[in-house]
Formats: sequence, C-alpha cells, structure tokens
Amino acid sequence: QVHLVESGGGLVKPGESLRLSCAASGFTFSKHYMSWIRQAPGKGLEWISFISSSGSVDDYADSVKGRFTISRDNARMTLHLQMNNLRVEDTAFYYCARAPGRTTSGLVVDYFDYWGQGTLVTVSS
Amino acid sequence: SYVLTQSPSVSVAPGQTASITCGGANIGTKGVHWYQQKPGQAPVLVLYDDSDRPSGIPERISGSKSDNMATLTIRRVEGGDEADYYCQVWDRSSDHPYVFGTGTKVTVL
Repeated sequence: QVHLVESGGGLVKPGESLRLSCAASGFTFSKHYMSWIRQAPGKGLEWISFISSSGSVDDYADSVKGRFTISRDNARMTLHLQMNNLRVEDTAFYYCARAPGRTTSGLVVDYFDYWGQGTLVTVSS
Repeated sequence: SYVLTQSPSVSVAPGQTASITCGGANIGTKGVHWYQQKPGQAPVLVLYDDSDRPSGIPERISGSKSDNMATLTIRRVEGGDEADYYCQVWDRSSDHPYVFGTGTKVTVL
C-alpha cells in the first residue's frame, strides 16, 4: 500500500529556513518522479517543484525558484524540500505527491496518483 | 503560462447530476486529470487522461473533453461527493509543467 508522510512543518519568521521531508513506503520509490505541491489556507493547489526518479532533473515554480531546493534519498525512500528565505506568502499546507512512473503506456509523469496528508508551514512575524 | 479556468461553485441535489467544467486553450491536445479534495483532507485522483478512473473510483464519476473544455460529471450525486474538484494538465511547453485549475466547490443540497 502506497504511503506518503510529510513532516517538518511549523511556525517560522520571515527570512528563516525550514526543511520538509516526505517518507515513502509501499512502492519502489526510486522509480517515480516526485513533486511538492502547496495550498495556502482556503486557496487552490499550486505545484512548486518536481524531481526525476534518479534526482538528476528538477524544476521549480517561479514563486520559489532560487529559495527552495528539492532533493531525494532513494536509499532512504525520502523526499526533501529545503526552504530558505521564507516569506509570509509561503504559508500553506505542503503536500508531496507521486507521479505514476512507468506503465504499459511508457513513462507517465504528468499527473499525481498518490498524495501525502500534508504538513503546514506558517510564516509569520 | 498556461491557465485553466473552473467555475467557482456548483450546487446539486442528491440523486441529480453535477457537471464541473475546466477551460483552457487547446485543452483538447492535453491530457486532463481531476482531483477531489474533501475538507481537511489531501487531494485524491479521481480521473486521469481525460476519462480513466483509478481503482476504487465509482463509475458514477466520468470525464469528457472537447477542443477547449474538459468536463467531470458526477451522476447520482451523494452527500459524500461534496468536495472541491481541481483539474490539472501537464504543459511541457510551459515554465510550470504542472498546471492546476482554479477549483470548483461542489455543494450537495
């Protein structure tokens, strides 16, 4: 059974840093692209970063580029998001999510078949 | 960047049919995926590639698409269908490859 569990959220001040983690289980973690998606309270979903299965390719939304870094430890089946220079507008629930990976149709990366339960990051002075 | 537009809300009586639309330029050329998010919970994939259902998703939920509009339809609506619904596409030509719609709140009367 696929399981994704985020941790590391909390209350920080503007300009501070935070590192989120997502522990994966129930599937071969090293075969799947992973993403971080956030949702400000009462707002919609915003994709912020993805990383390829090997970790060699990543990408970021403009809103976090240069401040956030995604990484993964395939041996420990863990996804990370290092968030630096946090801003009030980064306040949100942060979800990790899995792309389906290789299927009979080939490598599928364009949607998210499993999500974690989310961790709340609050940035406030 | 690519934009997906959804109507903010839909109200439907139990047993009736709810239709949720998702508009985007040339959306007919992209795979459209849909997520259901109940209050206080993480999103759940309910449709992928326009109309395919993951295991466990009831046949009451279906999807369709035209050149500029994708539609999620929920037949025989139940109270448990009350949730926010988001469409999503992967736009490989965009700076932001994963694009979510603005979301539609479905209220069961």
